[in-house]
Amino acid sequence: DTAVSQTPKYLVTQMGNDKSIKCEQNLGHDTMYWYKQDSKKFLKIMFSYNNKELIINETVPNRFSPKSPDKAHLNLHINSLELGDSAVYFCASSPLAGETQYFGPGTRLLVL
Amino acid sequence: RKEVEQDPGPFNVPEGATVAFNCTYSNSASQSFFWYRQDCRKEPKLLMSVYSSGNEDGRFTAQLNRASQYISLLIRDSKLSDSATYLCVVNRGGSGGGADGLTFGKGTHLIIQP
Repeated sequence: DTAVSQTPKYLVTQMGNDKSIKCEQNLGHDTMYWYKQDSKKFLKIMFSYNNKELIINETVPNRFSPKSPDKAHLNLHINSLELGDSAVYFCASSPLAGETQYFGPGTRLLVL
Repeated sequence: RKEVEQDPGPFNVPEGATVAFNCTYSNSASQSFFWYRQDCRKEPKLLMSVYSSGNEDGRFTAQLNRASQYISLLIRDSKLSDSATYLCVVNRGGSGGGADGLTFGKGTHLIIQP
C-alpha cells in the first residue's frame, strides 16, 4: 500500500479553470503539507495542516485553498488557474510538525 | 543569508570515488536536520537524519556543526545509482505551538560517471 498517495498524477488544463488535487496518507500522521516545485526544482512549502488546523500558510495566492475533510486527507483546490501555476505539487505528511516528512509521488500540473 | 544554502553543482564524480557536500543554515533555533534524495521526476525521499554526534549509514556519513551552522554529507565508494539531487533539510525551530516545519535547500545535483 502506498503511504502517501496523490491524484491525479498528471493534470493538463486551461487558464482560468478551477481544479483540485487530492492527497491521502495511511501512516496515521498528524501533519500534512503541500509543496510546489517549480521548473528550477526549488521545493517551496505552501501549506501545512495539523489535526485539521492550518498552521503554516506561506505567501501563497488566495486562489489556492487547502481542504482537509479528516486527518488522513489534505486536498488542494486551485481557482482561476494561471500559467505560472504550472509546476509539480507534492503532498507530504509527518508524525508531528518538524519531523521527517514522507512525500507523495507528485502531481504534474500544466496550465495552457 | 538564505535559510538553507547548498552548492547546486552539478558534481561530476567517477564511480568509486568519495564525494562530500556541505549545507549551511541560518536559523540557530533549528533542532532537526535531514538529508533527502530526489531522483529525476520523483518525489524527495529521506536519506538520513543528521544527529549532533554525527552518524553513518553504510556508505553515507552525515555530520552537524552547530557552531558554524553547517551540515555535511559524505558518500564513500560512490555507485552509479547514487546519481540524484541531494536536498539539505532543516526544521524551522521556533517558539513551539506546532508552528514548526521543514525548510528545504535547493539541492546539490550529483552525477556519478562510469
